[in-house]
Amino acid sequence: GENVEQHPSTLSVQEGDSAVIKCTYSDSASNYFPWYKQELGKRPQLIIDIRSNVGEKKDQRIAVTLNKTAKHFSLHITETQPEDSAVYFCAASKAESSGGSYIPTFGRGTSLIVHP
Amino acid sequence: EAGVAQSPRYKIIEKRQSVAFWCNPISGHATLYWYQQILGQGPKLLIQFQNNGVVDDSQLPKDRFSAERLKGVDSTLKIQPAKLEDSAVYLCASSLLALYYEQYFGPGTRLTVT
Repeated sequence: GENVEQHPSTLSVQEGDSAVIKCTYSDSASNYFPWYKQELGKRPQLIIDIRSNVGEKKDQRIAVTLNKTAKHFSLHITETQPEDSAVYFCAASKAESSGGSYIPTFGRGTSLIVHP
Repeated sequence: EAGVAQSPRYKIIEKRQSVAFWCNPISGHATLYWYQQILGQGPKLLIQFQNNGVVDDSQLPKDRFSAERLKGVDSTLKIQPAKLEDSAVYLCASSLLALYYEQYFGPGTRLTVT
């Protein structure tokens, strides 16, 4: 099955700095890569996603890059703010055999701490 | 629109007891997921439904876990008998369809097995 590795497990930055979180996956059939933010005690929420036919996607201060050849993708947060502090999860997903649904595998998460 | 509802929010049971969790997805969402999130780890998919059919349950410990979505709307996840290692947050999520569609997560049920 799919295996997703996520690094680092903890990331501490100063407000205004950039933060980068990296994930690798094992199954070349994976073709959809969402990123979720989970604040303490709250539910995960999608912040950005990328499909395999795209190499990069941006949404304001957040960007995701994908290298299908190397099987890795990264989350980039610029001009970090204290409210960015949370646990971030990457996931790799592929369509199940009939094509009707996709099967997601999550990374272990990165705890991002932004110091004011 | 109303979000994904789950109950109970917290449950404490002794090992070997049984427990059931309930999930009501967002109206119209065909796909429903149950995840187990152990402290410090990412969500692990247990079972995925498309309407009332099971799409994937390869990581569901079928000797003790069961789930159903009889009418293609609400779903229940049951553990019988519970073990200490089942202590986790159980998250339910739904999406409009499947691939490329955002999953919306419920608040989760925190299970503690003593």
